[in-house]
Amino acid sequence: TQLLEQSPQFLSIQEGENLTVYCNSSSVFSSLQWYRQEPGEGPVLLVTVVTGGEVKKLKRLTFQFGDARKDSSLHITAAQPGDTGLYLCAGVFAGNMLTFGGGTRLMVKP
Amino acid sequence: DTEVTQTPKHLVMGMTNKKSLKCEQHMGHRAMYWYKQKAKKPPELMFVYSYEKLSINESVPSRFSPECPNSSLLNLHLHALQPEDSALYLCASSQGPGPEAFFGQGTRLTVV
Repeated sequence: TQLLEQSPQFLSIQEGENLTVYCNSSSVFSSLQWYRQEPGEGPVLLVTVVTGGEVKKLKRLTFQFGDARKDSSLHITAAQPGDTGLYLCAGVFAGNMLTFGGGTRLMVKP
Repeated sequence: DTEVTQTPKHLVMGMTNKKSLKCEQHMGHRAMYWYKQKAKKPPELMFVYSYEKLSINESVPSRFSPECPNSSLLNLHLHALQPEDSALYLCASSQGPGPEAFFGQGTRLTVV
């Protein structure tokens, strides 16, 4: 059973475009992390959100945690080729283990 | 320092070989993890060590044997692997079991 649903699974856009990636669950998270992973490398932690309704910004990336703490989104403004990679959301549920979503593979073309 | 170091970065082994993957962190984290990641898939949890004790084994075959010699080190001993075990093996650590795991660069394992 996939506890975390990420969408879209794959996204190919032109440089300069905006995009949003979604992460949804029917369960409540105690916290949620977003990671970015490049081929052959380990995931790199981008942000952790804990409070319902929380918004965090990291340069051109905006992360939002839903009020009910069941969903999250990642918005990238003016995407650049360097943003290409696999974006993973990972939630912590009552069992205190990190559970990954299926990932969104982003390709930004110059 | 938020670094988790894994060695080797690449490993090719035969099905009759015995090898070990190593992971080290100096962040004082008390939880350490092994994940397996196949191509185009998210990481899948294999083992969790909490305070140097194995707390979770996600039904991993016995040909994978984890070891936590101390709070900074985590090993994964490999024996009699199958070609389908070829994957990226990731080590991670966190302050406690659960959130904000920091990952190493992984070991790309190929079983021939």
